[in-house]
Amino acid sequence: DAGVIQSPRHEVTEMGQEVTLRCKPISGHNSLFWYRQTMMRGLELLIYFNNNVPIDDSGMPEDRFSAKMPNASFSTLKIQPSEPRDSAVYFCASSLAAHGYTFGSGTRLTVV
Amino acid sequence: GENVEQHPSTLSVQEGDSAVIKCTYSDSASNYFPWYKQELGKRPQLIIDIRSNVGEKKDQRIAVTLNKTAKHFSLHITETQPEDSAVYFCAASKGAGSYQLTFGKGTKLSVIP
Repeated sequence: DAGVIQSPRHEVTEMGQEVTLRCKPISGHNSLFWYRQTMMRGLELLIYFNNNVPIDDSGMPEDRFSAKMPNASFSTLKIQPSEPRDSAVYFCASSLAAHGYTFGSGTRLTVV
Repeated sequence: GENVEQHPSTLSVQEGDSAVIKCTYSDSASNYFPWYKQELGKRPQLIIDIRSNVGEKKDQRIAVTLNKTAKHFSLHITETQPEDSAVYFCAASKGAGSYQLTFGKGTKLSVIP
């Protein structure tokens, strides 16, 4: 298996622009998680899905952030409009009940 | 919600010595405790995990202990090597796989040759 695949690996965008991050979970995994990592706040959960259904989005910072999981093999995290404080590494992880969580390689987002 | 505290934030040891990282959690419903290693610029990778029905687990030079009563768990690395240098994160969850992981803030381990 290729593992959890995220794209793009790096994204540089101007403040106010829309940013879309993509994630393909491991085939057969039924849970998907979006985390944000910064030096100040560490690894924070933004949202997670079980069987494509959003379970907890309380970590989504504000209405500028939205996430979808239209099917078991794809998820997106969208930021519109982006702001400099959104600069971080965004990780997607997937898991199967009773097994560990596998992280993707992350997307390093820089908003200038 | 769950809160995970991790100490120390930085740790330097001489090659061959042991390293211990400690975490506490707040939610007594948590029953799954993984540890992740993250090298610079890379993804967090699972190195060992423990479930609440077990008090200790070992995998070669790495061991994890869990005290449910005190709500704390620890990572022990023996015979440290330079390649052990990384940031280590503890985490807690109400169940492996289907629930969110709440992470500690991380420990930067430096192994001095």
